[in-house]
Amino acid sequence: GQQLNQSPQSMFIQEGEDVSMNCTSSSIFNTWLWYKQEPGEGPVLLIALYKAGELTSNGRLTAQFGITRKDSFLNISASIPSDVGIYFCAPLNYGGSQGNLIFGKGTKLSVKP
Amino acid sequence: DAGVTQSPTHLIKTRGQQVTLRCSPISGHKSVSWYQQVLGQGPQFIFQYYEKEERGRGNFPDRFSARQFPNYSSELNVNALLLGDSALYLCASSSRLAGGTGELFFGEGSRLTVL
Repeated sequence: GQQLNQSPQSMFIQEGEDVSMNCTSSSIFNTWLWYKQEPGEGPVLLIALYKAGELTSNGRLTAQFGITRKDSFLNISASIPSDVGIYFCAPLNYGGSQGNLIFGKGTKLSVKP
Repeated sequence: DAGVTQSPTHLIKTRGQQVTLRCSPISGHKSVSWYQQVLGQGPQFIFQYYEKEERGRGNFPDRFSARQFPNYSSELNVNALLLGDSALYLCASSSRLAGGTGELFFGEGSRLTVL
């Protein structure tokens, strides 16, 4: 069956440092989504990637859709304490529903002031 | 505008009991999905409803059932509760059934503890 691997599992960084996390799959996808979940909240969409090779930014966040369509990367520059949370990747295929997503296991980010 | 609302926020049940969780989608959204999130894991898809019809089902036993009402709100029912059903149950709504640009909006979840 399809395998979705997200790494690292957790990160402990100092405020101001850059962060990089990635997601790889055994299957090809047409869309990669990145979500953030803060304690006591549901996940919130950060970035959506719709094209292989696409590089998209949202403030200090930058995400890339891998050329092979089997992976995606999320980078956070100059981290701040409010970046704390769990980051999930969630890929899907063209025409697939965002209501039926497969999530990675998440990368838990801790930022030390 | 109100976001996705879920109730109850927390509840405790014992093994063998039944539970009903409720969700109201964002106004105008016709698609509602349910996810189970066990501690330390990502959300796992349970059901999707669109226009009151089941449009997708994840790998969950028949003890799990759901329905969507004419006002697009939804209920998730779990019968014969097991300890392993302890989790955060997330509801999410979307304006579309399919298509990559139909962003999913999540509620804060219902935290179920089974003793």
